[in-house]
Amino acid sequence: AQSVTQLDSQVPVFEEAPVELRCNYSSSVSVYLFWYVQYPNQGLQLLLKYLSGSTLVKGINGFEAEFNKSQTSFHLRKPSVHISDTAEYFCAVSEWRDDKIIFGKGTRLHILP
Amino acid sequence: ETGVTQSPTHLIKTRGQQVTLRCSSQSGHNTVSWYQQALGQGPQFIFQYYREEENGRGNFPPRFSGLQFPNYSSELNVNALELDDSALYLCASSFGQVSYNSPLHFGNGTRLTVT
Repeated sequence: AQSVTQLDSQVPVFEEAPVELRCNYSSSVSVYLFWYVQYPNQGLQLLLKYLSGSTLVKGINGFEAEFNKSQTSFHLRKPSVHISDTAEYFCAVSEWRDDKIIFGKGTRLHILP
Repeated sequence: ETGVTQSPTHLIKTRGQQVTLRCSSQSGHNTVSWYQQALGQGPQFIFQYYREEENGRGNFPPRFSGLQFPNYSSELNVNALELDDSALYLCASSFGQVSYNSPLHFGNGTRLTVT
């Protein structure tokens, strides 16, 4: 069965600095990978997804992620964060032909002024 | 385009009671998934409905049940509530049976508190 590990529960970063949120997954078959963002008191919103093809995926709000099959990772990056990026970020995985999406425990991004 | 709406937004119930949560799918979507998000945790998959049939279930007991209606709206029912059922319940809709190919669109959730 697939699983997702987000090692950092919180990441503090100064405004306009770069950030990387780490995600590792475990699966014995081909996977599809996602990053979702949850703003306070809201549902989740899709940031980006990897289905196949280029391993570098660009998403909304300037975020991008790179799929690394050998390291089973899908880290999320942004070159310069803004105060509005304050939110909880969830990495998620779905196995090929499986209908459910499994989420990690989330990483809270805390932007420092 | 109407998004996913959930009702009620907040609910307080007593242990042992039953609760029904409701979800209206985004226009054009025929698949609905329910997730439980405990405080400080990621969403956990409860089950998914496609064209009124349960189409996948996570590790939740049978007292968690659901329905999907012909207009693709959905209900989540929880019987014999326990304190650990306190959580944010999220509904997500998508188009098609295989969710990876159609992004999940989430509602803002129903916050259930069991006392």
